[in-house]
Amino acid sequence: GEDVEQSLFLSVREGDSSVINCTYTDSSSTYLYWYKQEPGAGLQLLTYIFSNMDMKQDQRLTVLLNKKDKHLSLRIADTQTGDSAIYFCAESYNTDKLIFGTGTRLQVFP
Amino acid sequence: GAVVSQHPSWVICKSGTSVKIECRSLDFQATTMFWYRQFPKQSLMLMATSNEGSKATYEQGVEKDKFLINHASLTLSTLTVTSAHPEDSSFYICSARDLGGKNIQYFGAGTRLSVL
Repeated sequence: GEDVEQSLFLSVREGDSSVINCTYTDSSSTYLYWYKQEPGAGLQLLTYIFSNMDMKQDQRLTVLLNKKDKHLSLRIADTQTGDSAIYFCAESYNTDKLIFGTGTRLQVFP
Repeated sequence: GAVVSQHPSWVICKSGTSVKIECRSLDFQATTMFWYRQFPKQSLMLMATSNEGSKATYEQGVEKDKFLINHASLTLSTLTVTSAHPEDSSFYICSARDLGGKNIQYFGAGTRLSVL
């Protein structure tokens, strides 16, 4: 079955860049997503990338997709304390369903 | 745009009672909505896919008589936890897929259910 994996924790200093990594198993994924979840809240869609793209940039966020290695990353430039949250990557393919990763808890310290 | 409202945000109930959670897409229509359950410090587990005007599709292991889903309009889906027990205590999150074509799900803020 489909599997999406992420590292559990990442700690960075304010102002540095954060890179959150994700690997997936389904090579037929059509869209890949990054969501942010703050404590006690729902998920906020940050960005998504179509599977025929290699990179997508949106302000401080850069998504890189290595389809050969089935590896997705999210880079946050100039990380701020407000970026502290859990980040989920997710994939979808031929159905509506999203398969979520385990989530990465990003902690930003001053 | 693409706002999903979920209500209530927190509910405490006695064991044996039923609780209804509402999920509304405020500025778009959604033929498909999804209900997830999230345990502390864990990822989201899809419970069921709610289709407007038809029966919901439940994931394996999810009791359909326990978790009743109704999707009566293009902007509203409800999840009713029937005869709730303490083990049903969890964070429930809904999402709605925009009809616009891309497979993008927009999420509600979640409902924390505590069953005493």
